[in-house]
Amino acid sequence: ILNVEQSPQSLHVQEGDSTNFTCSFPSSNFYALHWYRWETAKSPEALFVMTLNGDEKKKGRISATLNTKEGYSYLYIKGSQPEDSATYLCALDQTGANNLFFGTGTRLTVIP
Amino acid sequence: DGGITQSPKYLFRKEGQNVTLSCEQNLNHDAMYWYRQDPGQGLRLIYYSQIVNDFQKGDIAEGYSVSREKKESFPLTVTSAQKNPTAFYLCASSPQASANPTSYEQYFGPGTRLTVT
Repeated sequence: ILNVEQSPQSLHVQEGDSTNFTCSFPSSNFYALHWYRWETAKSPEALFVMTLNGDEKKKGRISATLNTKEGYSYLYIKGSQPEDSATYLCALDQTGANNLFFGTGTRLTVIP
Repeated sequence: DGGITQSPKYLFRKEGQNVTLSCEQNLNHDAMYWYRQDPGQGLRLIYYSQIVNDFQKGDIAEGYSVSREKKESFPLTVTSAQKNPTAFYLCASSPQASANPTSYEQYFGPGTRLTVT
């Protein structure tokens, strides 16, 4: 069982604040890193799939970076909105078989 | 509407009974997956299938069985051998990983919450 760790476990931010959280993973045998957003009472939805060291991806106010050599990825949310409230999951694919190892998630609450 | 459906949303069973959870997708995805979520833990992979009539064990396959007779369907049976079956079960699908790795994100169903007493 791989150790994919996410921090913090939860956080509360004010509407308009920017925030970021971390996903760390074993740097050996890396193929891809996935980020998902899971809103309460909904299904997890994909945000990014990242494969290259130094890669940076952006979707609206959300962006992510990847460092495969040191084994971490950051997710950034600029100008948080209440609708950003969700649990953000990262998951590691080591082989390309899409056999994902998930972290426990970061639960974000944006206070209006 | 393309997507993944899981039924039922809530399921209750007596200990010792087998139960089958349904998962159907109309996204024409080759690969399908079953995960389990327990409080305080990340999603854990039970079984996955990359193609019809083929499937592989994930990290926690003991006490579970699957079949993949059709591309669109991947039912999961929770057998009486599973020691702690009460959990939230998520099904997912994705295109084949070999196509373009940055496009093979997984699409998830709404989940089934199973309670065994």
